[in-house]
Amino acid sequence: AQSVTQLDSHVSVSEGTPVLLRCNYSSSYSPSLFWYVQHPNKGLQLLLKYTSAATLVKGINGFEAEFKKSETSFHLTKPSAHMSDAAEYFCVVTPSGTYKYIFGTGTRLKVLA
Amino acid sequence: GAGVSQTPSNKVTEKGKYVELRCDPISGHTALYWYRQSLGQGPEFLIYFQGTGAADDSGLPNDRFFAVRPEGSVSTLKIQRTERGDSAVYLCASSLLRRRRSGNTIYFGEGSWLTVV
Repeated sequence: AQSVTQLDSHVSVSEGTPVLLRCNYSSSYSPSLFWYVQHPNKGLQLLLKYTSAATLVKGINGFEAEFKKSETSFHLTKPSAHMSDAAEYFCVVTPSGTYKYIFGTGTRLKVLA
Repeated sequence: GAGVSQTPSNKVTEKGKYVELRCDPISGHTALYWYRQSLGQGPEFLIYFQGTGAADDSGLPNDRFFAVRPEGSVSTLKIQRTERGDSAVYLCASSLLRRRRSGNTIYFGEGSWLTVV
């Protein structure tokens, strides 16, 4: 079965320092992978997606993620955190040939002033 | 409209009552999805429509849940005999349909918050 594991339920960083949110996936075939962000009382917003093109994917708001097949990972990074980045982040896998999104349990990012 | 629209945004109902949640997808999107997000959890798949038909309803938890999309656009999620455990955010999403490829980007609405008391 396809699945995705977000290794940290909570991450705290200071403003201006790097952000790393970890995600590992389980998939038999080449999956598509996404990161979504959810601000309090807001809908889910797509940050970036990987669909078997370049392994380093750039998204909105300075976020990027690298697909590493050998490690089955798709970690989300940002060089410098901003207060507005505080939110819940979800890693998502779509198994090849299906339309079903499988969400991780989320990582809550806290940015300290 | 520009995005996926869901109504109501909030619904409080008594246990045992019937509830309908409405989703208006992005114009031109043929694929429509319903997800449920419980407190502190990631969204869980409920049902997926291609056009008017439910292509995959494997995520519906039991027969109290039902969804329709009669004209291939607006969809309604129906919950009968609501229980306290049904309290959650119900998310609707839509996407363009691309055959033989995955990686479709799906666009979510802001959700309908259902509270069963």
